[in-house]
Amino acid sequence: KQEVTQIPAALSVPEGENLVLNCSFTDSAIYNLQWFRQDPGKGLTSLLLIQSSQREQTSGRLNASLDKSSGRSTLYIAASQPGDSATYLCAVRPSDSWGKLQFGAGTQVVVTP
Amino acid sequence: NAGVTQTPKFQVLKTGQSMTLQCAQDMNHEYMSWYRQDPGMGLRLIHYSVGAGITDQGEVPNGYNVSRSTTEDFPLRLLSAAPSQTSVYFCASSYSSHSRLRSYEQYFGPGTRLTVT
Repeated sequence: KQEVTQIPAALSVPEGENLVLNCSFTDSAIYNLQWFRQDPGKGLTSLLLIQSSQREQTSGRLNASLDKSSGRSTLYIAASQPGDSATYLCAVRPSDSWGKLQFGAGTQVVVTP
Repeated sequence: NAGVTQTPKFQVLKTGQSMTLQCAQDMNHEYMSWYRQDPGMGLRLIHYSVGAGITDQGEVPNGYNVSRSTTEDFPLRLLSAAPSQTSVYFCASSYSSHSRLRSYEQYFGPGTRLTVT
């Protein structure tokens, strides 16, 4: 069974510092991996989607890498701002079960001014 | 596009009552799903559908029913509410693996916060 782990569970950094969030998964047979942001009491907002054939995706200050063979993805957020404070979740879509997106528990990030 | 919409936003039920959580999307996505989110448990898949008339169970299907009569709508029915079903429920949609020229991003609705007393 696919298991998705996010470490650390919580992270606090001063404004301006770069953020590094980790996601690991146990089964490398995935179709894609997606990073989401969730603000308190809100739904999930998609940040980046990486197909299994890709090594990284970039959007503005965000960069996500994928190493499928080692079962790892990393989300980098450059020059963090207080507005980046949120919970970040990663999810993998198994290649043999399109319907069953598997989520990690998330990393709660606080960026202090 | 409104994206994925869910109603109601909040609901309080008594044990044993039934209700339907509504979900609709206007992006012509084939794939729709329901998740529940609980503290310390993350997001868990309840049911999903790969197209109209086709549904399947996820990780935690007991106590819930779904049907998919149209591409746009995917309601979740609680048959006899229990306190263990107190949670935040999210509906999501995406294109399916058959839509090879499209993005496979999963889009989420704003959620329904359900309390069962």
